[in-house]
Amino acid sequence: RKEVEQDPGPFNVPEGATVAFNCTYSNSASQSFFWYRQDCRKEPKLLMSVYSSGNEDGRFTAQLNRASQYISLLIRDSKLSDSATYLCAVNSLGAAGNKLTFGGGTRVLVKP
Amino acid sequence: EPEVTQTPSHQVTQMGQEVILRCVPISNHLYFYWYRQILGQKVEFLVSFYNNEISEKSEIFDDQFSVERPDGSNFTLKIRSTKLEDSAMYFCASSDVRTSYEQYFGPGTRLTVT
Repeated sequence: RKEVEQDPGPFNVPEGATVAFNCTYSNSASQSFFWYRQDCRKEPKLLMSVYSSGNEDGRFTAQLNRASQYISLLIRDSKLSDSATYLCAVNSLGAAGNKLTFGGGTRVLVKP
Repeated sequence: EPEVTQTPSHQVTQMGQEVILRCVPISNHLYFYWYRQILGQKVEFLVSFYNNEISEKSEIFDDQFSVERPDGSNFTLKIRSTKLEDSAMYFCASSDVRTSYEQYFGPGTRLTVT
């Protein structure tokens, strides 16, 4: 099983609709979870950290399910500018360092 | 808003040549990282650096790679003898323990080995 897995998509979303997708991780010792947005050939940009209690930032909601080892991202009222690849990243904290393990990304295309 | 910067944005080199990729992390961050992304593939961890030493490295980070913090602001990745398969986007990132290790990425250096 891959360390971090995502549905590659694309998710074709009508403008204004809601879209949600998950990311599964295999290491139960993982401690921190993040969603990044990556536009074509650009750097990953931190969208939000994912907390145990779930968290919301405007139209974006992230959830963590430790029992089933997945995180989710929900985008409400999708905008054309939300079209991007969404990367989940998992961090197994330790004294050695804080490497992020990334999923392959979920591509979202918002269409008028 | 503070950001990570990287130079050059694009580097073309011949196989076997040495390249140095440069990064200026966010000024109050203490943890520094290099990642790479081969076209069409995942972002992959290369190395993390803290307190002037490597704290973790991946299997990719073999003897041809090295990192250095030559002064108080720069963080460099050196590839000693480049191979065709080193062609990728190289991202530098930095983080601060006070923000739960959230890592902020620079714009990347596109390395093309011919």
